[in-house]
Amino acid sequence: AQTVTQSQPEMSVQEAETVTLSCTYDTSESNYYLFWYKQPPSRQMILVIRQEAYKQQNATENRFSVNFQKAAKSFSLKISDSQLGDTAMYFCAFMSATSGTYKYIFGTGTRLKVLA
Amino acid sequence: EPEVTQTPSHQVTQMGQEVILRCVPISNHLYFYWYRQILGQKVEFLVSFYNNEISEKSEIFDDQFSVERPDGSNFTLKIRSTKLEDSAMYFCASFPALPPYNEQFFGPGTRLTVL
Repeated sequence: AQTVTQSQPEMSVQEAETVTLSCTYDTSESNYYLFWYKQPPSRQMILVIRQEAYKQQNATENRFSVNFQKAAKSFSLKISDSQLGDTAMYFCAFMSATSGTYKYIFGTGTRLKVLA
Repeated sequence: EPEVTQTPSHQVTQMGQEVILRCVPISNHLYFYWYRQILGQKVEFLVSFYNNEISEKSEIFDDQFSVERPDGSNFTLKIRSTKLEDSAMYFCASFPALPPYNEQFFGPGTRLTVL
């Protein structure tokens, strides 16, 4: 069974600085997707960035980028120029492309606080 | 842009009562899901639904839970006899399973409080 591990329960960063959130996963599959979701206090699940496992190029979305190391099964999120609005819970998620159900498996989350 | 909607946003119920949480997925999506998040914890998969039947369910999804898509638009989660530990945020999601989209679309959630 697949597992997703986020080893940093809480992190903080100064506004305008860069922070990296860690995520590792375990799977025997070769075709899958990885995601980072942001959950602000409203508890809405907001997609930050996605990565297809078959793509070697790391995904980027404006200030958000990932470091995808497939062999190491690592998928970290880098937030550049941190803003107060980035304060939220961040969840890493795995989705198999071959399971037939496409369900998500989430990590336990990292609570990020951006300090003014 | 189409979105997943959920009602109610907050439901308060007494232990032992039945509740029905409602979701309207995006219309051309093929897969539907319910997830649960107990306060302060991770989001957990409950059940997936495809082609009008359950395609997978987790250990959490016991006989107290059921899902339906009664009219081709609504997707419901019923909890037959609620327990205190059912208090959580419940998210509905849908997935098109067609390119170019390869992520699930989440609703805003229903907060269930069992007293």
